[in-house]
Amino acid sequence: ILNVEQSPQSLHVQEGDSTNFTCSFPSSNFYALHWYRWETAKSPEALFVMTLNGDEKKKGRISATLNTKEGYSYLYIKGSQPEDSATYLCAFTNQAGTALIFGKGTTLSVSS
Amino acid sequence: GAVVSQHPSRVICKSGTSVKIECRSLDFQATTMFWYRQFPKKSLMLMATSNEGSKATYEQGVEKDKFLINHASLTLSTLTVTSAHPEDSSFYICSANRAGTGETEAFFGQGTRLTVV
Repeated sequence: ILNVEQSPQSLHVQEGDSTNFTCSFPSSNFYALHWYRWETAKSPEALFVMTLNGDEKKKGRISATLNTKEGYSYLYIKGSQPEDSATYLCAFTNQAGTALIFGKGTTLSVSS
Repeated sequence: GAVVSQHPSRVICKSGTSVKIECRSLDFQATTMFWYRQFPKKSLMLMATSNEGSKATYEQGVEKDKFLINHASLTLSTLTVTSAHPEDSSFYICSANRAGTGETEAFFGQGTRLTVV
């Protein structure tokens, strides 16, 4: 059974704080790792797709790293803003064209 | 970007009735679409893979006669919850990959909140 774990489950930070979340996934038969941002009442929005060990991706204040050998990825948010409040989902796939296997997500709340 | 439209976004139905949820890719073709269900405080759980022109592939524990999936065109998949019961109340969401690209990125609909009373 393929299992994706995310931690923490929820997080509350103050505006301006930097924060990070963890996603762990099976390290064997790896194909791709995805991060999504999911706001209430909206569709999950793709943040990053990473495929190579050591990949680092960045979009504005958000960045992600990937370690396929040990099966983990980190998502970093620098200088959190209230609009960053959302659930961040990590998803793994071991083959192109197949369904993504999701973690439970990390729900971030940023107070101003 | 690729857009997936799912509706209805919210539906309340009586026990014993059937509910159809549509998932439509608006600006791309999707030979495969996926249906997920989310239980409270749980991950998005894959229910089935919807294949255009052929039978859906259901995950273990998902009743295919209960959750009917039809993928009659390259842009539309439907999920019908038959003879709904309160325990079917949940959040259902679909996703689609762009056909022929080899991409793994999934594009999601907005989800459907089903309440069976």
